[in-house]
Amino acid sequence: QKEVEQNSGPLSVPEGAIASLNCTYSDRGSQSFFWYRQYSGKSPELIMFIYSNGDKEDGRFTAQLNKASQYVSLLIRDSQPSDSATYLCAVNSGGSYIPTFGRGTSLIVHP
Amino acid sequence: NAGVTQTPKFRILKIGQSMTLQCAQDMNHNYMYWYRQDPGMGLKLIYYSVGAGITDKGEVPNGYNVSRSTTEDFPLRLELAAPSQTSVYFCASRENRNTEAFFGQGTRLTVV
Repeated sequence: QKEVEQNSGPLSVPEGAIASLNCTYSDRGSQSFFWYRQYSGKSPELIMFIYSNGDKEDGRFTAQLNKASQYVSLLIRDSQPSDSATYLCAVNSGGSYIPTFGRGTSLIVHP
Repeated sequence: NAGVTQTPKFRILKIGQSMTLQCAQDMNHNYMYWYRQDPGMGLKLIYYSVGAGITDKGEVPNGYNVSRSTTEDFPLRLELAAPSQTSVYFCASRENRNTEAFFGQGTRLTVV
């Protein structure tokens, strides 16, 4: 059974701080990794994807992948109240038609 | 491109009624999915399809049915609605096994 684990939170950080969200996965054959943001009452939207070990930066967001340790993380720099949402980690295994989603981590950025 | 379009956005059903949730995508994606999400919970896969004419069960298929007669459309049928089917339903599509999923706006269903 392929699993993706996330701490449900909530993770509370002050405005301007760095928020660090973590995700571990069980399938060593996983090939692509995604972070989605879901505001309350809305659908998930993609914010980052990463395929290779290392860091990938896009504006205030950095995705980090370590395949040897089977974890992927998302860093949000200069956190804003508008970043308050649930962040879903998703993993694609090469042999599966189905992406595996974590249950999400709730992030609260307080002024 | 409209992306993934779901209708209706909201619906209230009485116990025992049936309905179809519509999902259409205009990105020519072969892979399509139906999820349900209960309050404070993660996404649970109901059914998925890897192309027209091909569907398969997900984690929670009981009480639901799907069809995929075209690449664009992937309707979800609820027969004999039960209160346990009160949830938010999301349709998603993706191009292949390694790409991101695009989600529709969701359908909020209440069964009373």
